[in-house]
Amino acid sequence: GAVVSQHPSRVICKSGTSVKIECRSLDFQATTMFWYRQFPKQSLMLMATSNEGSKATYEQGVEKDKFLINHASLTLSTLTVTSAHPEDSSFYICSARGRAKGGHYGYTFGSGTRLTVV
Amino acid sequence: AQSVTQLDSQVPVFEEAPVELRCNYSSSVSVYLFWYVQYPNQGLQLLLKYLSGSTLVKGINGFEAEFNKSQTSFHLRKPSVHISDTAEYFCAVSDPNDYKLSFGAGTTVTVRA
Repeated sequence: GAVVSQHPSRVICKSGTSVKIECRSLDFQATTMFWYRQFPKQSLMLMATSNEGSKATYEQGVEKDKFLINHASLTLSTLTVTSAHPEDSSFYICSARGRAKGGHYGYTFGSGTRLTVV
Repeated sequence: AQSVTQLDSQVPVFEEAPVELRCNYSSSVSVYLFWYVQYPNQGLQLLLKYLSGSTLVKGINGFEAEFNKSQTSFHLRKPSVHISDTAEYFCAVSDPNDYKLSFGAGTTVTVRA
């Protein structure tokens, strides 16, 4: 089935540095990538939506200059947390939507990235 | 816009007992409905989905759900749970116009021996 590889799974960084998270669709073309943030014991909150080759659309309250999203190809999307601060510590998950085998669209989630800013 | 309400935040259940997780949604348009499971520090795994057709949907690991349009519900059921079913379960709806997923708050299922 469709697989999305998300890396790194865990990252610890110092306050003020930037962190890049990658999501790759391994056996399908991800026409749309969704990026979510999840706080402990809470649900997933959509941060932004990106379509291949175009600028990401950010949800209300999400700083686009802080959370840079690039979707340069149909198999790779990246989220860069710039000038990270402790309050950015969270679990980040990507979800790719694309045409799976048989022509049926579905969503495939990455395994998530636990970001800790110290 | 659509919203999802999961009526139970925590559901403790004994092994081999049945379980039902309730999900209600609100939307002004037809939606697609999903149930996902999340294990600690992992992403989401699709259990089942309703797009159209039969209102009774069967998924993986013995789970099934029934779409009830009049009650705007999509409850998840399993007739006999295992210890390994201990996890967080999320109900989600998708707007066919922009394909964004809206998630419920989640239900923590704890299966005890």
